[in-house]
Amino acid sequence: SQTIHQWPATLVQPVGSPLSLECTVEGTSNPNLYWYRQAAGRGLQLLFYSVGIGQISSEVPQNLSASRPQDRQFILSSKKLLLSDSGFYLCAWSEGQESFATNEKLFFGSGTQLSVL
Amino acid sequence: AQKITQTQPGMFVQEKEAVTLDCTYDTSDPSYGLFWYKQPSSGEMIFLIYQGSYDQQNATEGRYSLNFQKARKSANLVISASQLGDSAMYFCAMREDGGGTSYGKLTFGQGTILTVHP
Repeated sequence: SQTIHQWPATLVQPVGSPLSLECTVEGTSNPNLYWYRQAAGRGLQLLFYSVGIGQISSEVPQNLSASRPQDRQFILSSKKLLLSDSGFYLCAWSEGQESFATNEKLFFGSGTQLSVL
Repeated sequence: AQKITQTQPGMFVQEKEAVTLDCTYDTSDPSYGLFWYKQPSSGEMIFLIYQGSYDQQNATEGRYSLNFQKARKSANLVISASQLGDSAMYFCAMREDGGGTSYGKLTFGQGTILTVHP
């Protein structure tokens, strides 16, 4: 069965410090991968998605970047964190396919609570 | 304009009773999908149920059913026989086909906190 691992679970970082959150998926190949952010008490906002190694699409301009160095690895990074980067970050995957279907289900990791102080 | 609207910030229900969580959506795309996710206090998003815009019947998954009213653009989640473990945040989400360019983008509502009382 497929599993998704995301770490760390919590992170407290000072403003201006770098960030690296990692996500890996097991039990599937060539998944679509996603990074979402959830502000406190709010819905999720898509940050990045990837349909393959080295292929990254950004949904919103921001202080963050994403990379996919391996098929099942997705990394969220920042060179210098801002206070506004605080939030709950969720990695997700779905079955890779040539075209995206409306019934494509996303499966989420357990999330990382990031606090920038 | 909000694409997904959940008007109930919080809902309370007695254990073993049914509860309906409201969701309305806005799209001009004829092809779209509607999802419900559950987020317990642990933070993980758990997929519950899916309804396609062309599906003729309401979706059901165990104790979850989706009351899909296309003309009213509503996709309410019905949880039957509520259990204490159902206490969580519930999100409605939509994916529009966008001519095949939606790229997995789910648009989420603001969520509804459900509390099940014993």
